[in-house]
Parts: sequence; C-alpha cells; structure tokens
Amino acid sequence: NAGVTQTPKFQVLKTGQSMTLQCAQDMNHEYMSWYRQDPGMGLRLIHYSVGAGITDQGEVPNGYNVSRSTTEDFPLRLLSAAPSQTSVYFCASSGDTSSSYEQYFGPGTRLTVT
Amino acid sequence: AQSVTQLDSQVPVFEEAPVELRCNYSSSVSVYLFWYVQYPNQGLQLLLKYLSGSTLVESINGFEAEFNKSQTSFHLRKPSVHISDTAEYFCAVRGTGFQKLVFGTGTRLLVSP
Repeated sequence: NAGVTQTPKFQVLKTGQSMTLQCAQDMNHEYMSWYRQDPGMGLRLIHYSVGAGITDQGEVPNGYNVSRSTTEDFPLRLLSAAPSQTSVYFCASSGDTSSSYEQYFGPGTRLTVT
Repeated sequence: AQSVTQLDSQVPVFEEAPVELRCNYSSSVSVYLFWYVQYPNQGLQLLLKYLSGSTLVESINGFEAEFNKSQTSFHLRKPSVHISDTAEYFCAVRGTGFQKLVFGTGTRLLVSP
C-alpha cells in the first residue's frame, strides 16, 4: 500500500513549456485534489475530483488542467508554464464517510519555472 | 464558505516548554476541524481532527486541541515540546460532507535546545 505517490519530485521548466504532474493513489479513494503551496499562503486548492470522470475548479485553477479517467490517477497539466507557477504541488486523496474524508497527501513536486 | 486564520507565522520556543498555536475559523455551517503537520521537505500528515463529540481531541505524540464553538477557535497545545516537533503546522476546516478543505497560512514551530 503506497498511499499517494507523485512524480516527478523536482522539475525545472522554461516559460511557455508544458508538462504533466502525475498523481496516483492505491486506496480506492473517490476524492482527489491538487494544491499548491507558496510561502506565507498555506495550501491553495487548484482542482479537485469527486470521482472518475468528474472534476471541478478550486481556488486557483487558471493555467492548469485536470482529468480523471480512472479512480487511481489524477494528473495535473500545466498548459504553458509561467514563473508565477513556481511552487510546491501536493496531491491528496480522501475516502468515504467512514474515514470522515481525512485527506492523505503525497510527498509533493517542487516546480521551478524560469 | 469557510476560512481559517492562523495569526502567528512563526513561534519560537525552548525545548520542554509549553506551546500554543492559535487557529480561528469562520463558517456559516457546521464544520470539521483539522491540524496537519509538515516536517521539512515532506508532505502533510494529519495530526488530529475534531468531527463531533468531545471538544478536546488528542494526538498520539502529546498534542491536543480544543474545539470552542463560541470563540470559533481550535487552538493546538502541547505541555512540553521536543526538538523533533520543529515543523510547520496547518489548521484546516471544511463543512460536513465532501467539501473543499480550507487551510490556514501555517505556523512554523521552532524548538531550540
């Protein structure tokens, strides 16, 4: 049981490049979320999904796309990277009412856009 | 919508001293409250949570938090801290059912010998 895994751990992009941050969970959780963490701003929700085929925007969705084709995977796509997207990105998943929607976090991806 | 305020961005404390990390929230509906801890270069781990019942909740490593509905607070306390407690602590709130988890801006706890 690996929990929530994220790849890559580190990435450097040039402005305008695109890339996909991978997130996978093996706990059969319905709910998955992407956050970005910036100094002094806590964690801000980018996108979330309540199940396969269903996604919705969070607080800071601009510049990011998501899809949820399977229960296990929830990739985050940066369409055209900008320096403002330099951040640490965390994926999280949570289960049903028996676990009271406790969120389990991945180890994070540190992204630098130059 | 919910919001969380963590007024202290950094709390320095000596080892074996008591500590309190403050968290206040606002919400128009019933809420669940959480404290997460982030050790350097790691992801977030759940420290403790309040869902219902007893307003005092405890973690396995000696932290406790008390839900105070009248003061809309969920302060985190520990009577005697260790060097290993050095980390960033995030308070979070959400409404019942699956709703977005809203985080505070975090409090960095710095424990020195």
